[in-house]
Amino acid sequence: SQKIEQNSEALNIQEGKTATLTCNYTNYSPAYLQWYRQDPGRGPVFLLLIRENEKEKRKERLKVTFDTTLKQSLFHITASQPADSATYLCAPSGSSNTGKLIFGQGTTLQVKP
Amino acid sequence: GAVVSQHPSWVICKSGTSVKIECRSLDFQATTMFWYRQFPKQSLMLMATSNEGSKATYEQGVEKDKFLINHASLTLSTLTVTSAHPEDSSFYICSASPRPNTGELFFGEGSRLTVL
Repeated sequence: SQKIEQNSEALNIQEGKTATLTCNYTNYSPAYLQWYRQDPGRGPVFLLLIRENEKEKRKERLKVTFDTTLKQSLFHITASQPADSATYLCAPSGSSNTGKLIFGQGTTLQVKP
Repeated sequence: GAVVSQHPSWVICKSGTSVKIECRSLDFQATTMFWYRQFPKQSLMLMATSNEGSKATYEQGVEKDKFLINHASLTLSTLTVTSAHPEDSSFYICSASPRPNTGELFFGEGSRLTVL
C-alpha cells in the first residue's frame, strides 16, 4: 500500500540555521508533491508544489527538491526564524489531478532564538 | 489568495446529538471539496470527497451514515456528524479545490468538535 514517511521526531534548530525536512514515499509514483505548513489548531496552508520533471523549486527562503529515483523530497528553510516554528506536511499526489491529497504525518520544527 | 471559511470553529455537544459543520469557498467556485479529520498529534486523515451535485465518495473505514456530506452548491459543503459520541471528538478540516484545478488545496481553519 502507499506509504508516506516524514520524520516524526521534532526538529530543533537555532535561529539563522537551515532546517531540512525529509519526505519519503513508497509504492506509488506521484506526478507532483506538495508541502504545507500547519500551526496548532489551524488548517494547513499551501507552501510549494513541485512536479516530477522539476528537480528543485524555490520560493523566498524555501527550497524543495524532488528525487523520483530515491522517492524522496527535501524541504529546506534557510535563515530560519522562530516564526517558522510549525508542523510541515508533505503530500505526494498522483497524475489524476483530482485534488485529493493524502498527507504524511508531518514534522514539527522548532526554531529557537 | 483563495479563502475557505469553516463554521463553527468549535462546538461542544452532548452524546447522541447531531452537529453540522459548514465549509464555504468565499472567492472561488469549488466543484470538489474534501473533508479531513485530525486527532491530536496525528496527521490529517481524509474522510471523504464531496462533489457538487452528486454523492460524496467516502474513504475506507469512514461510515457514510454517520458522517453525512452535502455539497449543494459550488461554494458550500456541509458535514453532519450524526448521533455523535465522545470518540467522534476531533478536529475536522475541510479543503477546496478551485477550478481549474491547480493541484494545491485551500483549507478552512478547522472545527474542533467535543462530544460530552
